[in-house]
Amino acid sequence: QVQLVESGGGLVKPGGSLRLSCAASGFTFTDYYMSWIRQAPGKGLEWVSYISDSSTFTNYADSVKGRFTISRDNAKNSVYLHMNSLRAEDTAVYYCARNDGYWGQGTLVTVSS
Amino acid sequence: QSMLTQPPSASGTPGQRVTISCSGSSSNIGKNTVNWYQQLPGTAPRLLIYSNNQRPSGDPDRFSGSKSGTSASLAISGLQSEDEADYYCAAWDDSLNGHWVFGGGTKLTVL
Repeated sequence: QVQLVESGGGLVKPGGSLRLSCAASGFTFTDYYMSWIRQAPGKGLEWVSYISDSSTFTNYADSVKGRFTISRDNAKNSVYLHMNSLRAEDTAVYYCARNDGYWGQGTLVTVSS
Repeated sequence: QSMLTQPPSASGTPGQRVTISCSGSSSNIGKNTVNWYQQLPGTAPRLLIYSNNQRPSGDPDRFSGSKSGTSASLAISGLQSEDEADYYCAAWDDSLNGHWVFGGGTKLTVL
């Protein structure tokens, strides 16, 4: 059974940093590209970033380019999102996603002073 | 980054059949498959339909998906009160080095 479990969310001040983690299980992790997707309170869904199976390719939404970095550790079946220079508008639930559509339950990031 | 187009709202009475449309372009729906997500109040989006018309195992067959050209649709038959939720369509977009695009969501009300 596919399982994606996010962690690392919390309250952070504007300009601060946070690292989100996603632990994957129940499938061959190296077979899949992985993404992060977010949902601001009361809003729709926004793709944030993806990373290819061997980390060769990454891409970012314009809204986070230069501030966020995606990475993965295939030995640990994990994908990460390093978030720097956080802004109030980054406040959202962040979902880890397997690139064929399965998502985790999300972790809440709140950026506020 | 582009976005898919969904109606903001839909409604139906119990037992009725309801459809939700999703319109995209040649770089997303026109080239790639469509997923549909159901988001019940206060919960994470749940994969409802993948690869245009496939249901995760164990999900009821009241939900069905279809795709034609650059559009897709989700149909819900035998509408039930517990179907009241937000529904989102999603597709991979090949432009700009690849990214996911989503519809703005359709709030389904069961009258």
